[in-house]
Amino acid sequence: AQSVTQLDSHVSVSEGTPVLLRCNYSSSYSPSLFWYVQHPNKGLQLLLKYTSAATLVKGINGFEAEFKKSETSFHLTKPSAHMSDAAEYFCVVSGGGADGLTFGKGTHLIIQP
Amino acid sequence: EAQVTQNPRYLITVTGKKLTVTCSQNMNHEYMSWYRQDPGLGLRQIYYSMNVEVTDKGDVPEGYKVSRKEKRNFPLILESPSPNQTSLYFCASSWGANTGELFFGEGSRLTVL
Repeated sequence: AQSVTQLDSHVSVSEGTPVLLRCNYSSSYSPSLFWYVQHPNKGLQLLLKYTSAATLVKGINGFEAEFKKSETSFHLTKPSAHMSDAAEYFCVVSGGGADGLTFGKGTHLIIQP
Repeated sequence: EAQVTQNPRYLITVTGKKLTVTCSQNMNHEYMSWYRQDPGLGLRQIYYSMNVEVTDKGDVPEGYKVSRKEKRNFPLILESPSPNQTSLYFCASSWGANTGELFFGEGSRLTVL
């Protein structure tokens, strides 16, 4: 079985300050991990993915995430928030087995001007 | 342009009136899936299809049907909609079930009165 927990349902930061969105996972297998972004009235778009290569993964729009096996975490970061980053973010785990993909419940990122 | 197209994008209907939400992808993907998104619950999988004529239940299949007669199309059928099926629905496609690299449609917002 696998699961994913996004530790914050809402995160609010000021424009130009760092962003941290937290994700913990559990999996019986060596997992693949993903972050997706959903802008208002849009479908989800893949931001970045970890698939057992480098533990620090760079994605689109300046986002990156670090896979930490000892902490079972895959937190998403960005050095400097932009107004266009305001969206819903989903952490996703895939154990590779019959469980398929499991989505977190999402973190709503608010950017204050 | 690679895309997943859903129709209709918005629909208001009444209890018991059969409806179909269409989904089409132009990437020759084998895997297609339907999700519903509800506040506080994240995305939950309704049905998925590994290939033509191969479909299986996800986490919340009750009240829904699907078919996969062609590779590009994966319609979602609500035979007798009920108010608890009011939700935002997403179709997604991918090369495989566990690749995690899903391409999403823009969503269909359904209201059942």
